[in-house]
Amino acid sequence: NAGVTQTPKFQVLKTGQSMTLQCAQDMNHEYMSWYRQDPGMGLRLIHYSVGAGITDQGEVPNGYNVSRSTTEDFPLRLLSAAPSQTSVYFCAVQGNTDTQYFGPGTRLTVL
Amino acid sequence: AQSVTQLDSHVSVSEGTPVLLRCNYSSSYSPSLFWYVQHPNKGLQLLLKYTSAATLVKGINGFEAEFKKSETSFHLTKPSAHMSDAAEYFCVVSPNTGKLIFGQGTTLQVKP
Repeated sequence: NAGVTQTPKFQVLKTGQSMTLQCAQDMNHEYMSWYRQDPGMGLRLIHYSVGAGITDQGEVPNGYNVSRSTTEDFPLRLLSAAPSQTSVYFCAVQGNTDTQYFGPGTRLTVL
Repeated sequence: AQSVTQLDSHVSVSEGTPVLLRCNYSSSYSPSLFWYVQHPNKGLQLLLKYTSAATLVKGINGFEAEFKKSETSFHLTKPSAHMSDAAEYFCVVSPNTGKLIFGQGTTLQVKP
């Protein structure tokens, strides 16, 4: 997982709490994205960004906000956490050859 | 609309025997296709990718996949399974640059 870091690795929230999942890259690539992984469903795209200042929705955007002020960082915000958002979250960066590099993931539990 | 179907949710093989993980895709044009592997509690690692060059694609750790347009398939194979191959495998299609559509995943169990 070259150059993609995610923090925290684990997080437990109560319903209604807010938090930000951090994603950072040192590869200087434009395209970044957030996925969630749930059992039996593979990974599903939440939001993505084609560069600083540009973001767009993926397949499952509801309940999540993103912004992209720099090339390096792409944080994912949960404004009011719900139990349905219990999942493993992966940040990905697309390299020059259409290959995506994934971060190590954040395991989130919402009680 | 593009989609990916992994035909087996769970595959069990004995160590040293061949591995076949099946994947069918749906796309209105020739997409980019990938196989990723995820070991327990780890991130995703790219095994191999097809991008309209050779139809037989070789990846890491002895895996390969064959793109068959007539069958809309992209099955993953390995001649001889190793215990370290036990993991979850995802077939992925990329219809647009940067957007990935994942299959549901296949869990590979390797028995000694």
